[in-house]
Amino acid sequence: EAGVVQSPRYKIIEKKQPVAFWCNPISGHNTLYWYLQNLGQGPELLIRYENEEAVDDSQLPKDRFSAERLKGVDSTLKIQPAELGDSAVYLCASSLRTTNEQFFGPGTRLTVL
Amino acid sequence: GDSVTQMEGPVTLSEEAFLTINCTYTATGYPSLFWYVQYPGEGLQLLLKATKADDKGSNKGFEATYRKETTSFHLEKGSVQVSDSAVYFCALTDLIYNQGGKLIFGQGTELSVKP
Repeated sequence: EAGVVQSPRYKIIEKKQPVAFWCNPISGHNTLYWYLQNLGQGPELLIRYENEEAVDDSQLPKDRFSAERLKGVDSTLKIQPAELGDSAVYLCASSLRTTNEQFFGPGTRLTVL
Repeated sequence: GDSVTQMEGPVTLSEEAFLTINCTYTATGYPSLFWYVQYPGEGLQLLLKATKADDKGSNKGFEATYRKETTSFHLEKGSVQVSDSAVYFCALTDLIYNQGGKLIFGQGTELSVKP
């Protein structure tokens, strides 16, 4: 069974540029999460989807971050414009709605110059 | 709100030494507890979990027991190997009280095992 797939693995951009990250969850997983992991810290939730609905986006900085999960499968997280402080690893995870076990992708490491 | 506190790293051990990484938590409801491991350049992998008090999670020689009375979930391994070098994260989630199950992580503990 394929795991959670994320792309790109690495991204380097200049500040004020836009950037997008893509996630493909494990087949059949209706819950999808985006986490932000700053260097030396544990991940923090940005947004959680149940199918195509964002049910918890309270930690998403909506002035510059947006996300979508069309058709309740793949998801895209976007930053526009990026700031220096956005340099971090962006992790995607998925789970079945009825369980508490989340499976993580390898993450996208963003560097903003 | 709910939170997780881990012992600070880095922890440096010799091969075959005994490992303990302390983890304590605060939670409103009845959380499930997890240990995740992150190898360099990789995503988080679930190492073990426990869903109720007194449960013991175990995997690959690692163990942790859910202690409700001390709100702790310490990770232990009797004999570490160089290949165990990684960052270990303690985490909790609560499907009922915690907005449907987001994971709340500790800050991570880096383990380095020397041959």
